[in-house]
Amino acid sequence: GENVEQHPSTLSVQEGDSAVIKCTYSDSASNYFPWYKQELGKGPQLIIDIRSNVGEKKDQRIAVTLNKTAKHFSLHITETQPEDSAVYFCAAVYNNNDMRFGAGTRLTVKP
Amino acid sequence: DGGITQSPKYLFRKEGQNVTLSCEQNLNHDAMYWYRQDPGQGLRLIYYSQIVNDFQKGDIAEGYSVSREKKESFPLTVTSAQKNPTAFYLCASSQTGGNIQYFGAGTRLSVL
Repeated sequence: GENVEQHPSTLSVQEGDSAVIKCTYSDSASNYFPWYKQELGKGPQLIIDIRSNVGEKKDQRIAVTLNKTAKHFSLHITETQPEDSAVYFCAAVYNNNDMRFGAGTRLTVKP
Repeated sequence: DGGITQSPKYLFRKEGQNVTLSCEQNLNHDAMYWYRQDPGQGLRLIYYSQIVNDFQKGDIAEGYSVSREKKESFPLTVTSAQKNPTAFYLCASSQTGGNIQYFGAGTRLSVL
């Protein structure tokens, strides 16, 4: 079945710096790649997503890149702020709605 | 106020007891999902339902049961057969044919 690897498991950056989280997937048929942000004690919230026919997507300080050949995609957060601190999950969707999640990255932004 | 509502927020189970977690959505979504989240791990799929009166096992269905009698509701029962039930449980929904899953706020289940 599909397998999604996510790195790093923890990431600490200084406020204002950039943060990058990387994920790889195994099923070349995957065609949708969302990123979720989960704050403590809450459910994951979709922050950005990308489909397989696009290489990059940007929304203000957040961007996602996709390399289909290498089967990896990345989340980029620029000008990080303390409120960006959370756990971030990548996911890959294949076989219609079958969504597989990475193990998560705990991002800490130090003021 | 549209969305997915999970209740209760915290739940305690005694040994040998079955407990039921509620999930209700008013987004008119056909598909609903239950995930289990353990510390340091990604979300693992327990059960999912793509239409009323139909549901399928996910990767870790053993010790759990579900029903889908109404489009809006997808309750999850954690049975006494689930020997390690302590976890954070998340419910999600999506449109049929759509990829985006929307999550509830979760239920944290602990064993007394």
